[in-house]
Amino acid sequence: EVQLVESGGGLVKPGGSLRISCTASGFDFSSFNMNWVRQAPGKGLEWVASISVSSTYIFYAASLRGRFAVSRDNPTNSLYLEMNRLRAEDTAVYYCARDRYSGSYSHLDYWGQGSLVTVSS
Amino acid sequence: QSVLTQPPSVSGAPGQRVTISCSGASSIIARNTVNWYQQLPGTAPRVLIFADNQRPSGVPDRFSASKSGTSASLVISGLRSEDESDYYCASWDDSLNGPLFGTGTKVTVL
Repeated sequence: EVQLVESGGGLVKPGGSLRISCTASGFDFSSFNMNWVRQAPGKGLEWVASISVSSTYIFYAASLRGRFAVSRDNPTNSLYLEMNRLRAEDTAVYYCARDRYSGSYSHLDYWGQGSLVTVSS
Repeated sequence: QSVLTQPPSVSGAPGQRVTISCSGASSIIARNTVNWYQQLPGTAPRVLIFADNQRPSGVPDRFSASKSGTSASLVISGLRSEDESDYYCASWDDSLNGPLFGTGTKVTVL
């Protein structure tokens, strides 16, 4: 059974940093691109970042580039999101999601349960 | 910045058919496939439709979708109480190098 489990969320002060993790199981993690998607309270979904299987290709939402960094460790089936200089507007549930890419289409076929990050003084 | 616009809400009685539209000013939808995600209250999203009109295993066939030009639609036929949820369209945005999500639609079953 495919599982994605996020951890590491919590309360952080504005300007602070936080690293959240996503541990994958039930599939060959090293064969799938991975993504982070966030959802602010009461708001819609916003794509944050993606990372290719070997970390060769990494992309970020333009508004987050320079503050957020995505990485992965294939031997431990782990995905990470390092968030720096956090702002109140970064408060959200952060989901990791697996990218099912076929060559002609792509979709996020499995999602974790989410990790809440709250930025507040 | 590109936007995929959905109606904020749609509603229908049990058994009715409802349609959720997804439209973009740019040609994102025209150039790339559209996916639809369902997010039940308090849960993570799950893919409902991928590649414009494909249902993953386990998704009831009362959910269907189509695309034409720069717009896409999700249809729920035979609305059921458990379909009360938020629905998001999404399509790859070449300028983003990632998926662009629609604004989301809340479906209410009357």
